[in-house]
Amino acid sequence: GIQVEQSPPDLILQEGANSTLRCNFSDSVNNLQWFHQNPWGQLINLFYIPSGTKQNGRLSATTVATERYSLLYISSSQTTDSGVYFCAGVTQGGSEKLVFGKGTKLTVNP
Amino acid sequence: DAGVIQSPRHEVTEMGQEVTLRCKPISGHNSLFWYRQTMMRGLELLIYFNNNVPIDDSGMPEDRFSAKMPNASFSTLKIQPSEPRDSAVYFCALHLAGIYNEQFFGPGTRLTVL
Repeated sequence: GIQVEQSPPDLILQEGANSTLRCNFSDSVNNLQWFHQNPWGQLINLFYIPSGTKQNGRLSATTVATERYSLLYISSSQTTDSGVYFCAGVTQGGSEKLVFGKGTKLTVNP
Repeated sequence: DAGVIQSPRHEVTEMGQEVTLRCKPISGHNSLFWYRQTMMRGLELLIYFNNNVPIDDSGMPEDRFSAKMPNASFSTLKIQPSEPRDSAVYFCALHLAGIYNEQFFGPGTRLTVL
């Protein structure tokens, strides 16, 4: 099956710093999504981004579908950004199954 | 949580007991998913339904697990008998009908099997 690699696995930042999280797919995917799992365990939708670039406040994401990767940018990080960031995609072929990466654990220190 | 109600939110049970997890989605969805999250395996799909019909149950670990969706407003995931290795967070997710195929997750049920 498809493999999803996220990097880095862990990231520690000072408040105010910027960061880039990366997601690589072993095969083409549809329906690429980014999630934030907060310290309470909730999975919060950040972006639905099968291709192109989107921005939402301090966060933005870019997916280059032809090269099978996606990037999540966090600018001016805040302590509330802490948590685990997951990317996930649906393999082409009709299934709706989301395949997740192992996540990037982000810690933002004050 | 996109209008997904999961119950219970926490469940502690003893090995061998039957466990039933419940998901009550909002209306307007056409697909419902059950995912499991563990430290070892991360987030993985167990089963999903489309228009209340099971489509892909290849992720269901073994016969101890079963899932039903008797109607569009309710789904259950049952484990019988439960084992300590079933301890995990179980999420129900929806794909809302429309032009986008974005999935939205419920708050999850944290299951601990002693």
